[in-house]
Amino acid sequence: TQLLEQSPQFLSIQEGENLTVYCNSSSVFSSLQWYRQEPGEGPVLLVTVVTGGEVKKLKRLTFQFGDARKDSSLHITAAQPGDTGLYLCTGNMLTFGGGTRLMVKP
Amino acid sequence: GAGVSQSPSNKVTEKGKDVELRCDPISGHTALYWYRQRLGQGLEFLIYFQGNSAPDKSGLPSDRFSAERTGESVSTLTIQRTQQEDSAVYLCASSLLAGGLETQYFGPGTRLLVL
Repeated sequence: TQLLEQSPQFLSIQEGENLTVYCNSSSVFSSLQWYRQEPGEGPVLLVTVVTGGEVKKLKRLTFQFGDARKDSSLHITAAQPGDTGLYLCTGNMLTFGGGTRLMVKP
Repeated sequence: GAGVSQSPSNKVTEKGKDVELRCDPISGHTALYWYRQRLGQGLEFLIYFQGNSAPDKSGLPSDRFSAERTGESVSTLTIQRTQQEDSAVYLCASSLLAGGLETQYFGPGTRLLVL
């Protein structure tokens, strides 16, 4: 079973701060995806990373896939209240990490 | 275009009763997934369908849980003799094909409360 651990579990910050959340595994993944889930809704795909060492940017969000394809990070610059939500990573659509719950206060 | 829909949106039932949850995937999507999400937690995989077949049922927590898909479209998740620990949000997702590069489109979920 491929397990994904996400950290931190909870993060509460002020608007304008930067943050990084992590997704780690002891297994190698051929690809990894990040989803964001807002309260009362289903998760929505943010990005898919495929190549080890790959960096993808989506506006203020920067995603990195580890060189060994066992881990990934999500960095948010100048966080906004609209970034509030549960950030989930998955390696194969069947295994999801436990998520990082982010709250950005205005 | 319609997204993934789920019904009912909320379900309150008594312990011991059976419940049936429905998922209507995006038309043409061959893969369909069911997950369980307990309050404040991540997604727990239950089962997925490729067409009408379920190659992986490993996530079903017990024999009280079953699922079927017909016509490569609608799917139902049935929980028999519900227990209080079954209380959770049940999410359905579909994707064009199965595989880690595909985008999963999630429904809004069914919130199940077992009293």
